[in-house]
Amino acid sequence: DSGVTQTPKHLITATGQRVTLRCSPRSGDLSVYWYQQSLDQGLQFLIQYYNGEERAKGNILERFSAQQFPDLHSELNLSSLELGDSALYFCASSVVPGGGEQFFGPGTRLTVL
Amino acid sequence: AQSVTQLDSQVPVFEEAPVELRCNYSSSVSVYLFWYVQYPNQGLQLLLKYLSGSTLVKGINGFEAEFNKSQTSFHLRKPSVHISDTAEYFCAVSVASNTDKLIFGTGTRLQVFP
Repeated sequence: DSGVTQTPKHLITATGQRVTLRCSPRSGDLSVYWYQQSLDQGLQFLIQYYNGEERAKGNILERFSAQQFPDLHSELNLSSLELGDSALYFCASSVVPGGGEQFFGPGTRLTVL
Repeated sequence: AQSVTQLDSQVPVFEEAPVELRCNYSSSVSVYLFWYVQYPNQGLQLLLKYLSGSTLVKGINGFEAEFNKSQTSFHLRKPSVHISDTAEYFCAVSVASNTDKLIFGTGTRLQVFP
């Protein structure tokens, strides 16, 4: 158990819908990262937040957005869903950015039908 | 930009045999290097990391890796594998900056046979 929690574990929805994935980092960790794992794209970095502010953006679609709240939990919002958005979405956390270990949550498996 | 290449998509090996999983990276700046393991239906767990110092890094579960700057490689080794080592292994790099996003390789599926 990494200490990072993600809800829900599984999500099945239809094309065009909007979903919200939630992540609670390890106690004391200020930085949160979101990654997408899919068969065709592999593991890709989406976005990073540090202490409530966006720190870095990766290959995140405009239909996707995220935020980190004052209690440091984070949410990833996916809208206008397409079949290709089906993937495993991981959240990770670390104390601060800069070479330290990132602790990964168990992931949310999103299936878009 | 940085990139990571894991040349072997699958590595089959018998139990108690040695194994090496290969990882090469490309970067114009100094990087940190990581190996993560993903067991079926689970998240990623850090096996080991290289930040600086000794180029031979020891990790959990008997794994070790050697950083070779001239060959831009960070191969993962284990002298004797167990059935329980069957999993997907990912090599990753990050750049030392104010963001340490991980850039992953495509993964190597290690299959250990009895």
